[in-house]
Amino acid sequence: DTGVSQDPRHKITKRGQNVTFRCDPISEHNRLYWYRQTLGQGPEFLTYFQNEAQLEKSRLLSDRFSAERPKGSFSTLEIQRTEQGDSAMYLCASSLNQGGYTFGSGTRLTVV
Amino acid sequence: AQTVTQSQPEMSVQEAETVTLSCTYDTSENNYYLFWYKQPPSRQMILVIRQEAYKQQNATENRFSVNFQKAAKSFSLKISDSQLGDTAMYFCAFPQGGSEKLVFGKGTKLTVNP
Repeated sequence: DTGVSQDPRHKITKRGQNVTFRCDPISEHNRLYWYRQTLGQGPEFLTYFQNEAQLEKSRLLSDRFSAERPKGSFSTLEIQRTEQGDSAMYLCASSLNQGGYTFGSGTRLTVV
Repeated sequence: AQTVTQSQPEMSVQEAETVTLSCTYDTSENNYYLFWYKQPPSRQMILVIRQEAYKQQNATENRFSVNFQKAAKSFSLKISDSQLGDTAMYFCAFPQGGSEKLVFGKGTKLTVNP
């Protein structure tokens, strides 16, 4: 296992379109996290799964955002009716416990 | 609200010199982890070093070490013998309120000059 994989690396979409990102965590990690990072800022927490259960969601995750982890393995993050303010890097991370989080390379979303 | 403050938006250091990045945080928890992450330009966030709050001994990883002052809620990162590859954004982070979500500082942009 080579780490946390995210697909695609880059996505350019027109305003109003829906987009979906995928994250494949490290296989033995039961925790999976989504973060959003805008230019010049630190990552901001979006949501967290333990196995297939979504245990926590940030207020940043509006009703246009939905995340799933159907079988407790990979996860998807969908943004409906994208807006220019959604342009950011979307980071996925996984862990076994609080002692170590491994991040993926991120998906950079540009909404035009 | 639990916060992380990195007061140095940018720093620079000459190759082979030592640099210290500062971080202060606010929490009411007693046991927690603290992390420093490195994010090179357009590249992946990488864990540099972590500290467990119940351990008095400061963590060390090769050229990277921390000065952890629990009472002062301070967690600085010292990079010795700086290398060009150390050029990156550095983020301080810890799990908020004993939960699973990391709270990050705004980062310090470190440039190592030849």
